[in-house]
Amino acid sequence: ETGVTQTPRHLVMGMTNKKSLKCEQHLGHNAMYWYKQSAKKPLELMFVYSLEERVENNSVPSRFSPECPNSSHLFLHLHTLQPEDSALYLCASSQAPGPGDSPLHFGNGTRLTVT
Amino acid sequence: AQKITQTQPGMFVQEKEAVTLDCTYDTSDQSYGLFWYKQPSSGEMIFLIYQGSYDEQNATEGRYSLNFQKARKSANLVISASQLGDSAMYFCAMRSGGYQKVTFGTGTKLQVIP
Repeated sequence: ETGVTQTPRHLVMGMTNKKSLKCEQHLGHNAMYWYKQSAKKPLELMFVYSLEERVENNSVPSRFSPECPNSSHLFLHLHTLQPEDSALYLCASSQAPGPGDSPLHFGNGTRLTVT
Repeated sequence: AQKITQTQPGMFVQEKEAVTLDCTYDTSDQSYGLFWYKQPSSGEMIFLIYQGSYDEQNATEGRYSLNFQKARKSANLVISASQLGDSAMYFCAMRSGGYQKVTFGTGTKLQVIP
């Protein structure tokens, strides 16, 4: 496999459930990201892992918990979500720190629906 | 603070014609990078083209070119010879203030008409 792979592609969960999103990159990059994409809003950066250091957006609720066991794998653990958390969750990777021309490479995303 | 503005929510273009998608940005950094991504209905964000703030020439990648006007803080994407497969959302993005700080615009939905 090549590129960035996300599973599952679709997820429906109740507000009391616990689930995890998985992301794997095969590009040899050393930084991985979680983005949230809601309708008619810019992509929102949630978390960044780079060189084993985590950088996060302080506005992300604690019901979202990231985990990055190594430079190729990234998880997003979900618990007690709210309906407004329904969105497309995109994983990305890049080479960092690096030159300016180090674009983010994205996966296909997980479409999350919270009922 | 970094900001990307895309003022065209939707655009139509005739097949085989050229189209320009607008993007303006705001940053106080001297060194930054500008990117364009395509997002088809499948959801994947596909990297198209990159322009560095110190690059003197406009970037080109096949049918894509980036019209970079630094003084005006604009980075418009030009797609030549539009194809039906170009129908998608297009996002302008900027990296500044650190490698992990990539800011996206709200996107432009492009529809190519046969």
